[in-house]
Amino acid sequence: RKEVEQDPGPFNVPEGATVAFNCTYSNSASQSFFWYRQDCRKEPKLLMSVYSSGNEDGRFTAQLNRASQYISLLIRDSKLSDSATYLCVVNMRKSNYKLTFGKGTLLTVNP
Amino acid sequence: DAMVIQNPRYQVTQFGKPVTLSCSQTLNHNVMYWYQQKSSQAPKLLFHYYDKDFNNEADTPDNFQSRRPNTSFCFLDIRSPGLGDAAMYLCATSPRLAGGEDTQYFGPGTRLTVL
Repeated sequence: RKEVEQDPGPFNVPEGATVAFNCTYSNSASQSFFWYRQDCRKEPKLLMSVYSSGNEDGRFTAQLNRASQYISLLIRDSKLSDSATYLCVVNMRKSNYKLTFGKGTLLTVNP
Repeated sequence: DAMVIQNPRYQVTQFGKPVTLSCSQTLNHNVMYWYQQKSSQAPKLLFHYYDKDFNNEADTPDNFQSRRPNTSFCFLDIRSPGLGDAAMYLCATSPRLAGGEDTQYFGPGTRLTVL
């Protein structure tokens, strides 16, 4: 089992659609969870951290289910500018400073 | 603005010719990382520094070395680049505060081409 596994995608959705990305992680001791966004040929940028209680930032909602070792990202009212690769990122162990990246899911929002 | 800066943004080198990529940060973060990212793949961690403590990943080839002369700067040296080393090289930093903050902040990357 991969350490961090994401929906393979790609996702193609029309503007205004709601889209959800799923991610699972293998290590139950994982401590921190993030969604990063990466535009083509650019660096990853933090979209949001994911907290146990779930959190929302505008059109973006992230949820964490520790029992199922599952993270999700929901994007409502998709914009053309949301087109990017979305990376699920996990700090798998409290004792080191390393993050483990999923392979990413490519989203294309079409006019 | 505080940030992570990488130079050059694009680097072309010849097969076997040593190359150095640089990273600097104005965030005063303790931890600095070097990643390699190839097309359609996740970033792959090569090594990281916690202050001056160097941590190499087990599968990082010996061809890759790093130096961190001070808090602000970190260098990636590729001693004998091969065609397979063509990739985007990403530098990242993390504050690693006492509360466990481990968000990483990335520089814009250096895209390396090996001819």
